Amino acid sequence: DQQVKQNSPSLSVQEGRISILNCDYTNSMFDYFLWYKKYPAEGPTFLISISSIKDKNEDGRFTVFLNKSAKHLSLHIVPSQPGDSAVYFCAAKNGNQFYFGTGTSLTVIP
Amino acid sequence: GAVVSQHPSRVICKSGTSVKIECRSLDFQATTMFWYRQFPKQSLMLMATSNEGSKATYEQGVEKDKFLINHASLTLSTLTVASAHPEDSSFYICSARDQRASGGGETQYFGPGTRLLVL
Repeated sequence: DQQVKQNSPSLSVQEGRISILNCDYTNSMFDYFLWYKKYPAEGPTFLISISSIKDKNEDGRFTVFLNKSAKHLSLHIVPSQPGDSAVYFCAAKNGNQFYFGTGTSLTVIP
Repeated sequence: GAVVSQHPSRVICKSGTSVKIECRSLDFQATTMFWYRQFPKQSLMLMATSNEGSKATYEQGVEKDKFLINHASLTLSTLTVASAHPEDSSFYICSARDQRASGGGETQYFGPGTRLLVL
């Protein structure tokens, strides 16, 4: 049972525009959410996270929004750059367990 | 951020060979490390959770006698693929929880991965 879902396998955005990556979850016990970026043949790189007690966290061009009532989180990247092209995974934590989404492949078009 | 290394980065071996992959947390101690496997165009599949000083916890469907995990110290976990076969060919990634993070180990940091090809 997939507790964390990323329903869009891919997304294309023009350079300079906003990229919005979405993630839905089913378990209300998740207490922490994270976004990772992954290039082919490399390990994921931690991007940004948010505690379940917050609804927004911002770090430079990256902002994560959490809507607990909808069990939905999103990652906004603005402005998008070609170097942002990668696969993005959202993850949720419950105790010692981390659950990952299936990833969204972002392509930023120059 | 915290740094996690993996060695080797790439292994090509003959069927029946055992392969050991090392995962190290370089600038922090990690009581918990995770081992993942990624198939092409698929998500990360958690194989097992490695706890320092105790037995690893394996996910359903993962053979503990096939994928041997040892977490001998707070900075090192090893995954040994015993008698590897071509179907074991994959990209193996480890991660470690940074206990220094606010809230107590909320963030996992990943190693660069190991590409295993079994001929």
